[in-house]
Amino acid sequence: DVKVTQSSRYLVKRTGEKVFLECVQDMDHENMFWYRQDPGLGLRLIYFSYDVKMKEKGDIPEGYSVSREKKERFSLILESASTNQTSMYLCASAAPGAGSLHEQYFGPGTRLTVT
Amino acid sequence: AQSVTQPDIHITVSEGASLELRCNYSYGATPYLFWYVQSPGQGLQLLLKYFSGDTLVQGIKGFEAEFKRSQSSFNLRKPSVHWSDAAEYFCAVGAGSGGGADGLTFGKGTHLIIQP
Repeated sequence: DVKVTQSSRYLVKRTGEKVFLECVQDMDHENMFWYRQDPGLGLRLIYFSYDVKMKEKGDIPEGYSVSREKKERFSLILESASTNQTSMYLCASAAPGAGSLHEQYFGPGTRLTVT
Repeated sequence: AQSVTQPDIHITVSEGASLELRCNYSYGATPYLFWYVQSPGQGLQLLLKYFSGDTLVQGIKGFEAEFKRSQSSFNLRKPSVHWSDAAEYFCAVGAGSGGGADGLTFGKGTHLIIQP
């Protein structure tokens, strides 16, 4: 089974702090994604990556950056955390290919609170 | 760009009753369609997917969904729900080109409540 793990289930940070959210997958997937989930808004794509050192902006990249130095690891960085970034963050991975590119496997999520 | 609408924010169903969750999508070409389920405090789990072929697809946990191109719909059904089906359900669409430039687009979710 595909396993996607996220470094923390719950995180509390202060406004202005630099925050790192880590995601690791064990299926050698090329594609990895970061979403945020908010009540009434569903999941929104922040960034994704097709390969090591590759990144693409999603729908809501402002205030975020990402890093993909190794194939199995995809990090989401909040350069200066703000209260409006309080949310559930979900990482996902997918194998390459037309169909499977979109069959994504999700981690358990990190609930981030910025105070 | 594609979009997904789940018209029902909340649905309440009695245990043992049948269930249908609605999903409408907007996309110019043949879409790749998915239903995911999220239990409280958990990540998303894939229930089923439609890429091509038979328009009635079977998934895990006794769920099925039917792709209707003429109605741009991909509704999720289950003949008899169990209390453990209480969760948030998300419909999603992916670009059929395979380029993945847009990733997945999710609906806002339907919260399913099961009454005893």
